[in-house]
Amino acid sequence: QVQLVESGGGVVQPGRSLRLSCAASEFIFSAYHMHWVRQGPGKGLEWLAFISYDGSDKNYADSVKGRFTISRDNSRNTLTLQMDGLRVEDTAVYYCVKDDGITSGLDAWGHGTTVSV
Amino acid sequence: SSALTQPPSVSVSPGQTASITCSGPALSDRYVNWYQQRPGRAPVMVIYKDTERPSGIPERFSGSSSGTTVTLTISGVLPEDETDYYCQSADNSGRNLVFGGGTKLTVL
Repeated sequence: QVQLVESGGGVVQPGRSLRLSCAASEFIFSAYHMHWVRQGPGKGLEWLAFISYDGSDKNYADSVKGRFTISRDNSRNTLTLQMDGLRVEDTAVYYCVKDDGITSGLDAWGHGTTVSV
Repeated sequence: SSALTQPPSVSVSPGQTASITCSGPALSDRYVNWYQQRPGRAPVMVIYKDTERPSGIPERFSGSSSGTTVTLTISGVLPEDETDYYCQSADNSGRNLVFGGGTKLTVL
């Protein structure tokens, strides 16, 4: 059973930074692309960032481009989201998500970590 | 990726069939995936590649595609199916993902 456990959420003032981590287990982490997705209070799902299986390729939603940085450490099975210049509208639950490798579907999700700005 | 459009809400009686649509100009050549999200919980994939059902998902969940519209169908709806559903697609590179706005299914 794939396990994704996020950490690092909390309350932060506008303009400050926060670093989210996701510990992956029970699958070959280095073989799969990964994503971060968030959900604001009472809102829908918003895709934020993509990173390829080996970390060589990254892409971001326009809403976070230039402020957030996705990275991974395949030796430690860890995914990270560095969030700088946080805004009130970044308040959300942040999910670490595994790509299914078939149709860019998201076949495993963490429980989420809450960020309040 | 282009925006995906879902109806905000769909209502159905228990035992009937619910259909939730997802439309977008690029969907004629893109696959769509569907997720169920219960309150306070992470989403769960219920359909991938337009019509495929992941292991463990009940057979009453099915998907179909026609042109630029994809449909999630729930047959024999149960009270426990009352929750939010999201469609999702990606561009050809798989680097840009997009979600529909979500549909709240109400079981009357």
